Amino acid sequence: EVHLVQSGAEVKKPGESLKISCKGSGYSFTSYWIGWVRQMPGKGLEWMGIIYPGDFDTRYNPSFQGQVTISADKSISTAYLQWSSLKASDTAVYYCARKGLLSTQNWFDPWGQGTLVTVSS
Amino acid sequence: EIVLTQSPGTLSLSPGERATLSCRASQSVSSNYLAWYQQKPGQAPRFLIYGASSRATGIPDRFSGSGSGTDFTLTISRLEPEDFAVYYCQQYGRSPTFGGGTKVENK
Repeated sequence: EVHLVQSGAEVKKPGESLKISCKGSGYSFTSYWIGWVRQMPGKGLEWMGIIYPGDFDTRYNPSFQGQVTISADKSISTAYLQWSSLKASDTAVYYCARKGLLSTQNWFDPWGQGTLVTVSS
Repeated sequence: EIVLTQSPGTLSLSPGERATLSCRASQSVSSNYLAWYQQKPGQAPRFLIYGASSRATGIPDRFSGSGSGTDFTLTISRLEPEDFAVYYCQQYGRSPTFGGGTKVENK
């Protein structure tokens, strides 16, 4: 069975850095794109970006370009989302999700359980 | 960027009733690249529909999708207690976007 397991909740101060993770299992990690989706408190879903662990090709939503960095370590089947300097407005739940196999299958399934990031002074 | 507008914001219905959710795109969605997800409180989204009308594996047949171009619909033929949730549409063209969601609440 395909699983994406994310790292645990984080509480950080503004200006701090953070890297959260998403470990895939049950499938060939290098063959599927992994995306990241933000959900701010009480709000909807926002696609942040996506990475192909096979060759590290990465695409960003222009709204998030330069704000976060998406990376992966295929040796441990793990994708990452990181910030160099957090802001209070980064407080949200962040989900990773696997894209469909083919280039025409840009939906997300399955999803990780989510990582709550709280940024507060 | 394709903007997706979902309506209504909230749908108040009782178990057994039919739910009709709308998703309207700001421009035509190529090849009907439109998906639907269900999200319950404290849970990750669950993939329901792709290609506007194809059910994902394991999704009950009371869920159906329809539409093309800029207008899409998710229909739940008879609401079960576990169907009360928020539903999101997503267009998955070159740069994916999500709609703002429709909450289906128990009346």
